Formats: sequence, structure tokens, C-alpha cells
Amino acid sequence: EAGVTQFPSHSVIEKGQTVTLRCDPISGHDNLYWYRRVMGKEIKFLLHFVKESKQDESGMPNNRFLAERTGGTYSTLKVQPAELEDSGVYFCASSQKGAGSTEAFFGQGTRLTVV
Amino acid sequence: AQKVTQAQTEISVVEKEDVTLDCVYETRDTTYYLFWYKQPPSGELVFLIRRNSFDEQNEISGRYSWNFQKSTSSFNFTITASQVVDSAVYFCALSPQTGANNLFFGTGTRLTVIP
Repeated sequence: EAGVTQFPSHSVIEKGQTVTLRCDPISGHDNLYWYRRVMGKEIKFLLHFVKESKQDESGMPNNRFLAERTGGTYSTLKVQPAELEDSGVYFCASSQKGAGSTEAFFGQGTRLTVV
Repeated sequence: AQKVTQAQTEISVVEKEDVTLDCVYETRDTTYYLFWYKQPPSGELVFLIRRNSFDEQNEISGRYSWNFQKSTSSFNFTITASQVVDSAVYFCALSPQTGANNLFFGTGTRLTVIP
């Protein structure tokens, strides 16, 4: 069974450019989460989808970040325009139920560097 | 508010030594889940254990063991007879059972096992 897959694995962009990260969850997992780890700090929650609906987006830093999950399958996270402080590793996770009741499976992350 | 503290930023041990990774948490919820994840060099977060707040029994899985103590709000992780393959970043996390499904992570502990 394929795990959570994230594309790209690395991305280097200039400040002001746009970047789109993609996450393919495990097939059949309704819950999809985005997290971010800024260097040396904790991994922080960004948002949570249940199927195609945003269940909780309280962790989104600002309106430069837009997440979508059309059709309730894969998800994209767009940063537009990117700023230097957006650099970090973006993780996606999926689970069958809420992450607290069952384990969440994480992808390998996308390392975003804004220069 | 939820908070997870991993005071040890980096630990180095010689192979076959035992090592304990500390995790202290804060929550006002009476029901919650605690997790440990391992992040090997490949980048993905690998689930190790989930513990319900009502279950204070310690758990052992091979060379891994976990000590959950509600009285001190700690959920420490011990690796016995460490091996080079244990080298990774280890994250402790908390999930409240108040409707939120997101995980609150600590800042991680980088463990290096020296051959």
C-alpha cells in the first residue's frame, strides 16, 4: 500500500514567487492534515481537511497560504507570494479517523527554501 | 492551551548504551493522546506509539519502552542497547480529545548513535 506522498521533495524559489505543494494521502483516508516545521522549531499544525471540506484552518499563517482538496483526494498548498519566513519543511499527513484516535501517517515532507 | 516540551535538543550516545528522551506536556484536557514519532534521514515521520491519557501502563516494544506519568505530565521514551539505525530526530506530540484532531509537537530531539 502506498504511503502519503508529497511533491516536490525540495523547492527553492525567490521571494515574491508562487509555489504549490502537493500531497497524495493514503487511499481511503478522509482526513488530511498540513503541518510545517520552521528550522529548529516545533512542527506546527496548519489545517485539517475532512474529505474536501476544511475542518480546521486555524493554523494557517496568513492569507498568502491557500489549501485545497478538490474531490477529497489529493491536496495542494499554495503560497503566493512567498516570503523568506515561509521557508521550512511542510508535512502532510492522513488518517482514517481524527489523528488523536488513530495514528496519522506522514509524508516525507517538502523542504521549501525562499531566497 | 496545549504544549509539548522536549528539553533535549541533541543527544549523542555510543552504540549499545541506553538512552532516554524526555517529553513533558501541558494540557487542560482530561482526555488526550500522546505520541512519539521518529524522523529518520529520509524525512518522513514514522509513528512509534500512541498512548491514551487513561492508560498509564508503561509499554515495551523490543528495545523501545515508554514511561507515562500523569503526575509529572511526562511521557519519556527509552531506547535500550542503542544501535546506529536509531539515529534520527524523535518527536513527542499531544492530541487533545476536545474535538481538535491536530497534533501538537515538541521541537524534537536529535539522537546520534556513534558506532
